Amino acid sequence: DGGITQSPKYLFRKEGQNVTLSCEQNLNHDAMYWYRQDPGQGLRLIYYSQIVNDFQKGDIAEGYSVSREKKESFPLTVTSAQKNPTAFYLCASSLRDPSSGNTIYFGEGSWLTVV
Amino acid sequence: AQSVTQLGSHVSVSEGALVLLRCNYSSSVPPYLFWYVQYPNQGLQLLLKYTTGATLVKGINGFEAEFKKSETSFHLTKPSAHMSDAAEYFCAVSENDMRFGAGTRLTVKP
Repeated sequence: DGGITQSPKYLFRKEGQNVTLSCEQNLNHDAMYWYRQDPGQGLRLIYYSQIVNDFQKGDIAEGYSVSREKKESFPLTVTSAQKNPTAFYLCASSLRDPSSGNTIYFGEGSWLTVV
Repeated sequence: AQSVTQLGSHVSVSEGALVLLRCNYSSSVPPYLFWYVQYPNQGLQLLLKYTTGATLVKGINGFEAEFKKSETSFHLTKPSAHMSDAAEYFCAVSENDMRFGAGTRLTVKP
């Protein structure tokens, strides 16, 4: 089945540790995105990539890093520099960038909790 | 720059009643507008979208939305609420990238 797969669904991180959230899509989409969701604040864009080996910072990129070595994969690393990482993280993809009205499709999300 | 405002963070309706979720946007160019639904602990699912053409857009699960340029609005409606409609709903606008509203949580009372 075509879709976006995020793993793990639940992840616990100790203070000072880096963790990586996986995102894989088999939709042949060019653009991929990472959003952070906190209660009552909607979705905030962390990073996005419109092509392999290229990505841009979103509104809240500090403390996060990404890579786009393959079209299908866009992993997100939450570094120890991110002071408040506990949140629900959503990966998404679209055929092209949204300026052409392309729909963004979402994965099922990953919960990250700092313990 | 584009932005979206959803009026009302929480809406409660009785089963069978009209659902109305409000969304106003700002955009410097003709916008592309979207409504998504999110069930607990899941990703967002597209309900409907407006790109060009007919201003009344029909989506899944009996929802529809009307693009009103003069009011810069894209309100979501459903004539008769069902218990399964209880979820969080997000309005979004795309220009250079996609911007989401803060969301409206819909509760349906039996």
